[in-house]
Amino acid sequence: DQQVKQNSPSLSVQEGRISILNCDYTNSMFDYFLWYKKYPAEGPTFLISISSIKDKNEDGRFTVFLNKSAKHLSLHIVPSQPGDSAVYFCAASALGNTPLVFGKGTRLSVIA
Amino acid sequence: DSGVTQTPKHLITATGQRVTLRCSPRSGDLSVYWYQQSLDQGLQFLIHYYNGEERAKGNILERFSAQQFPDLHSELNLSSLELGDSALYFCASSPRTSGGYEQYFGPGTRLTVT
Repeated sequence: DQQVKQNSPSLSVQEGRISILNCDYTNSMFDYFLWYKKYPAEGPTFLISISSIKDKNEDGRFTVFLNKSAKHLSLHIVPSQPGDSAVYFCAASALGNTPLVFGKGTRLSVIA
Repeated sequence: DSGVTQTPKHLITATGQRVTLRCSPRSGDLSVYWYQQSLDQGLQFLIHYYNGEERAKGNILERFSAQQFPDLHSELNLSSLELGDSALYFCASSPRTSGGYEQYFGPGTRLTVT
C-alpha cells in the first residue's frame, strides 16, 4: 500500500514557466513533508520541507504548498530552468520519529 | 557533494553470493540510514542506526544485515543474492536521532546480480 503517491511519472515544462509537481498521501499521521531532487548517477539532494503547522514554505524559486484536508502537497518552481531537469521525490514522516516514506518520483524535463 | 561516501559505486555478482556495501556518513552525523531503490520504485527504507545502535527497521529481508561501527561508518551485508536484489542502494546520514527529518544521501551503489 503506497502511502505517498506521485501520480505523474513525468512532466515537461518550457524554460521560464512554472513547474508544478504534485504529491498525495494517505496516512493522516504524516506531519512533516520533504522534497528531494535527484540527478542521474547521484544521490537525492534535499530541496525543501514543510511542517503540518504551515501551509506554505518558500525558498528562492521553490515553494511547497500543503493542503492537509486534501492530503496533498505540491512543489512549485518559478521560473523553471534547464538545470532543474531531474527526478523529484516527495517524502513524509509522522512526528519526525518515523522513517521517511518516499513516493516513486516525477521526472521533470525543462526545455530551453 | 553531500559529504556522504559510499563504496563501491558499482558491483556485479552472481546469484547466491554475498556482498558488503560501505558507507561513511558526513562528519559529525551519528545517524546512518540505508535505502533500496529498485527499477521504477521510490526509495524503500531498510534500516537506521544511531551511534552504533539499531533504531528502526523497514522492509529489510532476513538475508540482509547491517551494522554501524565505532568510527560511525556503516556496512550493509547482502547474502544469498537473488536476481531481484539488483537495485541502487543508498546510504544517508543526519545528525538527528530520529529518521523523519532531512537526510543527506550518498551517491549510491549499483548492485547487479546475474
